[in-house]
Amino acid sequence: TQMTQSPSTLSASVGDRVTITCRASQNIRTSVAWYQQKSGKAPRPLIYKTSNLESGVPSRFSGSGFGIDFTLTISGLQPDDSATYFCQQYKNYWTFGRGTRVEIK
Amino acid sequence: QVSLVESGGGVVQPGRSLRLSCAASGFISTDYAMHWVRQSPARGLEWLAFASSDGSLKYHADSVKGRFTVSRDTAKNILYLDMTGLTREDTAVYFCARQFTASAAYFDYWGQGTQVTVSS
Repeated sequence: TQMTQSPSTLSASVGDRVTITCRASQNIRTSVAWYQQKSGKAPRPLIYKTSNLESGVPSRFSGSGFGIDFTLTISGLQPDDSATYFCQQYKNYWTFGRGTRVEIK
Repeated sequence: QVSLVESGGGVVQPGRSLRLSCAASGFISTDYAMHWVRQSPARGLEWLAFASSDGSLKYHADSVKGRFTVSRDTAKNILYLDMTGLTREDTAVYFCARQFTASAAYFDYWGQGTQVTVSS
C-alpha cells in the first residue's frame, strides 16, 4: 500500500491552521498514524488509528479520515512545530509517506 | 522508562555483511512485537522487518528479502538485524521500533538510530 503525502513543504505563520494530507493506494480503514520528526532525532508518534492523540501530544494536533484519505491538522501553529511530519499505514504491512516539512515564517 | 538503543552501525564495503543490535529496556519485551525501519534521503522512511513478541513470526520487506534477516533474543531483550550483500543503496540511518499492539500496529517507541554507510 502506497501513501502519497502532500504537500512536501509548507510555510506558515505562528497561529495558522495547517493541514497535511495522505492518500492511500487502497482502503486502509482507520489504520493510519502520524509522526513528527526533528532534525537528527527519531520520529515521534503524534496520532494513531487516524484520530487518537498519543499521550503528551498537544491538543492542537488532530487527525481525521477513513478509507483512503487522511488529514493531520495543526490548529494554531507554534514555533516548536517546525519539523517534518510523516503518515504511516499499518493495515497492509507498514509504509510511510514521503514527509511534509513545516517551516515557520 | 522505555528505552531502545541501536548499535552495530558503521562504514562497510559493498558486498560485506553487518549485524545491527537493538537493546530494549524499561518494558517486558516479550509482550511486544518489534520492527526495523531505515531512513535515507533517497528512500525516505522505509519499513524493513517485523518480529513477533516471541520471535516466531517474521516478515521482511520485499526490498531486503533474502539479504536481511530479523531475529530476537528474548532472554537478553535484544533485537537483531543481519544484513548481507550490502550495496550503496543500503546507506541509511537504521532504527528499531516497538509496535504498540496487534490491533494498532503503529510504532510507539523508537531508538535513536544507528548510521550505516556502505562505501569502498
